[in-house]
Amino acid sequence: AQKVTQAQTEISVVEKEDVTLDCVYETRDTTYYLFWYKQPPSGELVFLIRRNSFDEQNEISGRYSWNFQKSTSSFNFTITASQVVDSAVYFCSLFTSGTYKYIFGTGTRLKVLA
Amino acid sequence: GAGVSQSPSNKVTEKGKDVELRCDPISGHTALYWYRQSLGQGLEFLIYFQGNSAPDKSGLPSDRFSAERTGGSVSTLTIQRTQQEDSAVYLCASSLGGGLSKNIQYFGAGTRLSVL
Repeated sequence: AQKVTQAQTEISVVEKEDVTLDCVYETRDTTYYLFWYKQPPSGELVFLIRRNSFDEQNEISGRYSWNFQKSTSSFNFTITASQVVDSAVYFCSLFTSGTYKYIFGTGTRLKVLA
Repeated sequence: GAGVSQSPSNKVTEKGKDVELRCDPISGHTALYWYRQSLGQGLEFLIYFQGNSAPDKSGLPSDRFSAERTGGSVSTLTIQRTQQEDSAVYLCASSLGGGLSKNIQYFGAGTRLSVL
């Protein structure tokens, strides 16, 4: 079975704090992709990053970084020096070659307070 | 178009009426997905199109829900005899399709459906 778990329902931080959003996935497929999306209050999901199962390199993009660890089936997302504009719901998603279907976690609502 | 376009952005209807939701994907994207997002919830998969074919309709909640795609482009999601539990945001996404590496989904802004 394919599953994505985002255990943190809501996180509140003060501006400039670092915050990590957790994502744990389950799949038996050996070829799969992991995604993070941001859903601001406007509602449109915005693509942030994609990782495939054969590439465990961590990635940094500005204040965003991602830690992919197959050993723990996790794909965590860290925002450094958070800003109010980072306030949104963040979704982790799994795409597997076996189903051609995207499985989404329930999302983590991040509130960054000024 | 430049992005995925969905219309209407908001739809209020009375229980029992039929509604049609439209999705216009990014030009050249062969894969198209419909999701439902209830208030404060995650995304629930409804249906997937590759071209005009729907290989996976497993997420459609009942036979009141149907979808079609014509010309490999625009898709319409139809809900017949709407019920109050159908109230949600319906999201459409498209991707290049045609291969695992072409699977980044781009989402529309959604249609917020309210059934009174």
